[in-house]
Amino acid sequence: EPEVTQTPSHQVTQMGQEVILRCVPISNHLYFYWYRQILGQKVEFLVSFYNNEISEKSEIFDDQFSVERPDGSNFTLKIRSTKLEDSAMYFCASSDPRLAKNIQYFGAGTRLSVL
Amino acid sequence: AQKITQTQPGMFVQEKEAVTLDCTYDTSDPSYGLFWYKQPSSGEMIFLIYQGSYDQQNATEGRYSLNFQKARKSANLVISASQLGDSAMYFCANDGSARQLTFGSGTQLTVLP
Repeated sequence: EPEVTQTPSHQVTQMGQEVILRCVPISNHLYFYWYRQILGQKVEFLVSFYNNEISEKSEIFDDQFSVERPDGSNFTLKIRSTKLEDSAMYFCASSDPRLAKNIQYFGAGTRLSVL
Repeated sequence: AQKITQTQPGMFVQEKEAVTLDCTYDTSDPSYGLFWYKQPSSGEMIFLIYQGSYDQQNATEGRYSLNFQKARKSANLVISASQLGDSAMYFCANDGSARQLTFGSGTQLTVLP
């Protein structure tokens, strides 16, 4: 069964460092998303990406964040200068916009720990 | 703007019994979808079931069914014949004209042997 793959599963970084979280969406999906979940809280939308550009973004997704689809399979989230409050689980998701149902399939997540 | 409310922070159910997890939503979009996801202690988000706002029938997927009451803006998840492996956090979510999902705060379900 096709699945969304995220690497690494756990990333530890120092405050102020740049991190890149990687995702391989389901191969025939065209819509990609990043969400985050601070420990013990609800899942929050960060950004959606379609047709090689950002489709929607939340107010959390400020200038410190960027997304890229560097090739035909990968989708990345970059945090330019990490802060302590960026510590969270980051989920990548993908969906097929050709279907009426906007079912988003999530990866297993990357746990980011900023020290 | 979308809003999802899950009023049950924790629920307990005996193995093999049915349980209902509550979800109410608020949206101004005429067309929307409602979703349930399961998050086990390992952390991944597993899609369970989807209901479209114009679907005439309640959605079912195996032991999961969605009790959709549009006038009440509720989309409760019913799990029949609970199993120990059903113990997890359950999130209700919706979308609208924008495709991003808005999640509720979740319900922690514990299945007792």
